[in-house]
Amino acid sequence: AQSVTQLDSQVPVFEEAPVELRCNYSSSVSVYLFWYVQYPNQGLQLLLKYLSGSTLVKGINGFEAEFNKSQTSFHLRKPSVHISDTAEYFCAVSDSDSWGKLQFGAGTQVVVTP
Amino acid sequence: EAGVTQFPSHSVIEKGQTVTLRCDPISGHDNLYWYRRVMGKEIKFLLHFVKESKQDESGMPNNRFLAERTGGTYSTLKVQPAELEDSGVYFCASSQESRGKDEAFFGQGTRLTVV
Repeated sequence: AQSVTQLDSQVPVFEEAPVELRCNYSSSVSVYLFWYVQYPNQGLQLLLKYLSGSTLVKGINGFEAEFNKSQTSFHLRKPSVHISDTAEYFCAVSDSDSWGKLQFGAGTQVVVTP
Repeated sequence: EAGVTQFPSHSVIEKGQTVTLRCDPISGHDNLYWYRRVMGKEIKFLLHFVKESKQDESGMPNNRFLAERTGGTYSTLKVQPAELEDSGVYFCASSQESRGKDEAFFGQGTRLTVV
């Protein structure tokens, strides 16, 4: 069995400030790790994914995440946020060959203010 | 190219009624997934189609839910009869690679409210 914990339900941040969204997972097998974003009134969009190799993964819109196997974490970061980054962010894992079968965290709502 | 499309975007029905949600995946995508997010909870996997076959339906909550994908194109998810706890947002996603090792693209979701 696997689970995903997003430690913050809401993160307020000022424009141009950095942000970090925390994600921890538990799994008895190797996993694939994903971050999705849901902008208001839209579907979920893939930000980035970790499959293997380099533990630092770069995604779209200036986001990056670091896989830490010993701490079973996959935290998402952006050095300088924009108002348009206001959205809900979901960490997800898959332990199967089907990347579409995902276990999601509860989500972190990021609110960027001027 | 059109993305994953879900109909309707919103539905409000009374307890005991039947509702059918539809998902049109991206053309050519063999894999189709249904998910649900009940208010305040995580997005939960419901089931996975590969073409017209149910590959994995381990997340279906009970037999009031029936999913079909006739012809391996669009899919429907029927709830009959609907209960209050079925309220939530239902997401559909699709991916191309036949072995499933491909990014899943999500639709905007259908917000179902059972009153």
